[in-house]
Amino acid sequence: EVQLVESGGGLVQPGGSLRLSCAASGFTFSSYEMNWVRQAPGKGLEWVSYISSSGSSIYYADSVKGRFTISRDNAKNSLYLQMSSLRAEDTAVYYCVRDPYYFDYWGQGTLVTVSS
Amino acid sequence: VVMTQSPLSLPVTLGQPASISCRSSQSLVYSDGNTYLNWFQQRPGQSPRRLIYKVSNRDSGVPDRFSGSGSGTDFTLKISRVEAEDVGIYYCVQATHWPPITFGQGTRLEIK
Repeated sequence: EVQLVESGGGLVQPGGSLRLSCAASGFTFSSYEMNWVRQAPGKGLEWVSYISSSGSSIYYADSVKGRFTISRDNAKNSLYLQMSSLRAEDTAVYYCVRDPYYFDYWGQGTLVTVSS
Repeated sequence: VVMTQSPLSLPVTLGQPASISCRSSQSLVYSDGNTYLNWFQQRPGQSPRRLIYKVSNRDSGVPDRFSGSGSGTDFTLKISRVEAEDVGIYYCVQATHWPPITFGQGTRLEIK
């Protein structure tokens, strides 16, 4: 059974940093491209970032470019999102999602709250 | 690519059909001939769940009352007979022209 389990969310002050993790299981993680998608409270879904299976290709939404860094460790079956210079508008549930063309599996999400 | 859903709110009587439109600002036909337009359902308090992929392919376990259709820039999700468990927000998303991958604004389905 495919499972994606996010962790690392919490309350952080504006300008602060946070690192999200996503533990993958039930499939060959190293063979799949991965994404982060977020959802602000009461709002719609927003794609945040993409990483290829090897990690060699990476893309970001303009809203996070230069502040967020996506990475992966295929040996640990894990996906990461390093977030810095956080703003109030980054407050959201962050989902780890498999495959950019199909978005076929989603984690349960981890809540990031940016507030003083 | 801008994805525009309508309506944004959809009150439906139980047992009645429902239809959600999703229009893209440019054709979603990819160079490989596929159209990467998917539909998701998000029930209250849950993660999104994919219902339909590549326009019209229903996911395993999705009731056959859900169907997807369309081509080019115009797509539709239909529910033949709405049930109480269908309450939630429905999103279309395109992954033909990216980055960025773009979602529709979401359509909130409620029981009238």
